[in-house]
Amino acid sequence: AQSVTQPDIHITVSEGASLELRCNYSYGATPYLFWYVQSPGQGLQLLLKYFSGDTLVQGIKGFEAEFKRSQSSFNLRKPSVHWSDAAEYFCAVGGRPEGGKLIFGQGTELSVKP
Amino acid sequence: DAGVIQSPRHEVTEMGQEVTLRCKPISGHNSLFWYRQTMMRGLELLIYFNNNVPIDDSGMPEDRFSAKMPNASFSTLKIQPSEPRDSAVYFCASSSSKQGGQPQHFGDGTRLSIL
Repeated sequence: AQSVTQPDIHITVSEGASLELRCNYSYGATPYLFWYVQSPGQGLQLLLKYFSGDTLVQGIKGFEAEFKRSQSSFNLRKPSVHWSDAAEYFCAVGGRPEGGKLIFGQGTELSVKP
Repeated sequence: DAGVIQSPRHEVTEMGQEVTLRCKPISGHNSLFWYRQTMMRGLELLIYFNNNVPIDDSGMPEDRFSAKMPNASFSTLKIQPSEPRDSAVYFCASSSSKQGGQPQHFGDGTRLSIL
């Protein structure tokens, strides 16, 4: 079955520290992968996407993610976290079998310590 | 460019009342999605449309929920009668392809409270 797992429900990092949020997927076809961010009271905003090609993709707000097919992973990284990065982060997978539908992970809540 | 527009932003009503949530997708997008978000269940896909036609409504919780898309620029999600357990944030999203690969763009949501 198609699924997305975000193993960490909640992560706390210090401001200025590096960040890695984990995402593992199970998908039978070529996956399209996405990371979204949700700030309190807001909708989900697209951070970055992977369709094909270079497995390291750059997104907005200084985020990047690396697609590793052998590990079925698409982890999100940022070298130096800012207090404004505190939010919930969602990984999602889609593809031709799903049509336009995306399968979302349960989300990881990020807290940033001063 | 205007994003996905949802109205109202907040709705508080008593149980048993009819609730109608509205969504205007991004112009040119041909797929529209309705989601519900709660602390307990996270983000759930309720239904999605492609070219105004419902494709998958397997996420609609029960017959009290219905959704329509009369044209490419408007959709509604209706709950009748509403119950307290329907309290949640409801999101609408749109995208430009039914074949996958295109990101969904989300509105800011409607926060629904049923008393």
